Amino acid sequence: DAGVIQSPRHEVTEMGQEVTLRCKPISGHDYLFWYRQTMMRGLELLIYFNNNVPIDDSGMPEDRFSAKMPNASFSTLKIQPSEPRDSAVYFCASTKQRDYGYTFGSGTRLTVV
Amino acid sequence: GNSVTQMEGPVTLSEEAFLTINCTYTATGYPSLFWYVQYPGEGLQLLLKATKADDKGSNKGFEATYRKETTSFHLEKGSVQVSDSAVYFCALRGSGGSNYKLTFGKGTLLTVNP
Repeated sequence: DAGVIQSPRHEVTEMGQEVTLRCKPISGHDYLFWYRQTMMRGLELLIYFNNNVPIDDSGMPEDRFSAKMPNASFSTLKIQPSEPRDSAVYFCASTKQRDYGYTFGSGTRLTVV
Repeated sequence: GNSVTQMEGPVTLSEEAFLTINCTYTATGYPSLFWYVQYPGEGLQLLLKATKADDKGSNKGFEATYRKETTSFHLEKGSVQVSDSAVYFCALRGSGGSNYKLTFGKGTLLTVNP
């Protein structure tokens, strides 16, 4: 199993540009999560999906952030327009129903200049 | 709401020293508890878990016991190695069959010197 696959690994963009982060969960996992990690705030849950449906997006910071899961094998997190304070490592994770642990991807390090 | 508090780091030890990283939690009901480890440049990996009171999770020489009376889940290892240098996160998942959100502590950086 290839694990949870995220792309790109690193992204540097200018303020105001649109950024799209991508995630492929493990096949057969029903739940997909997007987390953001910063030194100041630690790991924050942004949104999670069950069977491709968003269940809880209360952690999405503002309207500039949006996430989609068009099918069971793909999800995107989009920031438009990006701002320097969005700089962080963004992690995707997935799990199976009735499983207890998450499998995390390697993350996307986003730098907005 | 649910919360996790873990000891602030960084923690620096010599090889073969004993490790304890404290973790306490606040949650209603009977949460499941986890320790995750993050090596530099990588995502988090599940280290061990415990799903009910008095359960002991263990893996790779690490152990943690779910203590409901003290709302704690402290991580221990009897003899650390240089390869254990990483950031360790305590986490909980709230009770209830439909609750799949994990709440994480802020992480503790462990450095083991040869």
